[in-house]
Amino acid sequence: AQSVTQPDIHITVSEGASLELRCNYSYGATPYLFWYVQSPGQGLQLLLKYFSGDTLVQGIKGFEAEFKRSQSSFNLRKPSVHWSDAAEYFCAVGPLGGKLIFGQGTELSVKP
Amino acid sequence: DAMVIQNPRYQVTQFGKPVTLSCSQTLNHNVMYWYQQKSSQAPKLLFHYYDKDFNNEADTPDNFQSRRPNTSFCFLDIRSPGLGDAAMYLCATSRASGQTTDTQYFGPGTRLTVL
Repeated sequence: AQSVTQPDIHITVSEGASLELRCNYSYGATPYLFWYVQSPGQGLQLLLKYFSGDTLVQGIKGFEAEFKRSQSSFNLRKPSVHWSDAAEYFCAVGPLGGKLIFGQGTELSVKP
Repeated sequence: DAMVIQNPRYQVTQFGKPVTLSCSQTLNHNVMYWYQQKSSQAPKLLFHYYDKDFNNEADTPDNFQSRRPNTSFCFLDIRSPGLGDAAMYLCATSRASGQTTDTQYFGPGTRLTVL
């Protein structure tokens, strides 16, 4: 069955520290992969996406993610976290037909 | 800027009183989606329109209906809201051609409270 797993429900990092949010997926073919961010009370904003090509993709706000087919992973990274990055992060797989399969989300807290 | 707009941002209704949530888009996308998101959970797809074709998810309750009068607008109707329907409702759009669907872009959401 198709699924997305975000193993970390909640992560706390210090401002200025590096960040990696994990995402693993189960999907039968080459997936379309997405990371979205959601601030409290807001909708989802697209950070980045992978469809094909270069496995390291750059997104907005200084985020990047790397697609690793052998590990079925699409981890999100940022070299230096800012307090404004505190939010909920969702990884999603988009198979054909448009239905996104979301992970359960990772809540990021940033310590001053 | 092209965008997805949801109105109202906050909606309070009474138990059993019908409510309609609105979504409009200036992206000229042919696919529009409605998601329900409860606290600390991932969004759950209720249904989507591919052009004028309505696609209901198998587990979406009959209490939820949708209308898409034109490309730009889509409405979510909750016929008899229950306390369990209190949630954030997210509208999203994408461009699709044949079997290929592009990225989904989300609106800011409508927070529904049921008293």
